Amino acid sequence: DAKTTQPPSMDCAEGRAANLPCNHSTISGNEYVYWYRQIHSQGPQYIIHGLKNNETNEMASLIITEDRKSSTLILPHATLRDTAVYYCIVRVATGGTSYGKLTFGQGTILTVHP
Amino acid sequence: NAGVMQNPRHLVRRRGQEARLRCSPMKGHSHVYWYRQLPEEGLKFMVYLQKENIIDESGMPKERFSAEFPKEGPSILRIQQVVRGDSAAYFCASSLFRDRSNQPQHFGDGTRLSIL
Repeated sequence: DAKTTQPPSMDCAEGRAANLPCNHSTISGNEYVYWYRQIHSQGPQYIIHGLKNNETNEMASLIITEDRKSSTLILPHATLRDTAVYYCIVRVATGGTSYGKLTFGQGTILTVHP
Repeated sequence: NAGVMQNPRHLVRRRGQEARLRCSPMKGHSHVYWYRQLPEEGLKFMVYLQKENIIDESGMPKERFSAEFPKEGPSILRIQQVVRGDSAAYFCASSLFRDRSNQPQHFGDGTRLSIL
């Protein structure tokens, strides 16, 4: 799976948009971009994923650049409960021996403050 | 619609004992994954199973660890002769059908294993 690079930490004011960047310059054409978050002592929570088009769901939006070398997760109105570690993961679509697993990096610690 | 259920939430064992961790996937999910998170470290993949088959065990320690996902019942991660270094949070995830990257994995809240 392609390696991802994320800033170690970010701050965001409550009610403002949180924009979390991720670089994945070695991504292949058949690899998806996934975002998960982990709130302290809980299991990782799936947020969103995409291949090349921008995606939006009830939790967040995912913006993928045209060359697919980077992406941004957007939490439109951050709340204190969004404080968590956010993981950007690139994962191959099908085939091969590694396509099932998720490879977690260090992620970005997002702190939302009042 | 219940999520991934793991039990027990907390498990304490003495060195040399066996630990059994259980995972019931989401309804309709036939693929299960186990991950381990050591204290102050990231999540590491251990094993990927579908019903009665191990698909990928590249992250499993070669000794003392085993996993199964029988036709009936939950998936079991078994650790024999536990040592202090096995103390960690163990997370299970499940996904729909044959795993494809457009089918996300959904995680349980983990089992915290403590070795005395």
